[in-house]
Amino acid sequence: GENVEQHPSTLSVQEGDSAVIKCTYSDSASNYFPWYKQELGKRPQLIIDIRSNVGEKKDQRIAVTLNKTAKHFSLHITETQPEDSAVYFCAASPNTGNQFYFGTGTSLTVIP
Amino acid sequence: DTEVTQTPKHLVMGMTNKKSLKCEQHMGHRAMYWYKQKAKKPPELMFVYSYEKLSINESVPSRFSPECPNSSLLNLHLHALQPEDSALYLCASSQVTGTGVLTYEQYFGPGTRLTVT
Repeated sequence: GENVEQHPSTLSVQEGDSAVIKCTYSDSASNYFPWYKQELGKRPQLIIDIRSNVGEKKDQRIAVTLNKTAKHFSLHITETQPEDSAVYFCAASPNTGNQFYFGTGTSLTVIP
Repeated sequence: DTEVTQTPKHLVMGMTNKKSLKCEQHMGHRAMYWYKQKAKKPPELMFVYSYEKLSINESVPSRFSPECPNSSLLNLHLHALQPEDSALYLCASSQVTGTGVLTYEQYFGPGTRLTVT
């Protein structure tokens, strides 16, 4: 089955700096890659996603890049704000069913 | 309505109790999921229902019993749980995917915080 690795496990940045979280996947059949943000005690919320026919997608301060050849994808957050502090999970999903394979999570702290 | 709702928000139960978790969505999604999540860990898939039929069971112990009575509702029946079953139980829903169809995003409910004493 699919195996998703996520790095780093913790990340601290100064407010206004950029944050980058990286994930790798193993199954070349995976074609959908969502990113979820989970604040303490809250539900995971989809913040951005990318499909395998696209190399990059941007939504305001958040962007995701995908390298299918290398089987890795990354989340980029620019101009970070304290409210960006949360745990971020990447996931990969093959086109064979409804199953998501999650990365281990990155705890992001933005220092004011 | 673009929300998945779950009840109760919190549940404390003894190891001999029987309780149920409920999940509801009115987005017309025909796939519904149960996940278990421990603190600062990713959600672990337990069950997937597709068109009200169980399609994935990730080797979950029989003390967890899912039920999908209709396309909007999903239940998780709990019996004889262990303290290590204490966790956040998340429900999610999505459109149904199939071979050759692009995967759809999953929408999560707020979860039920379960404590087994």
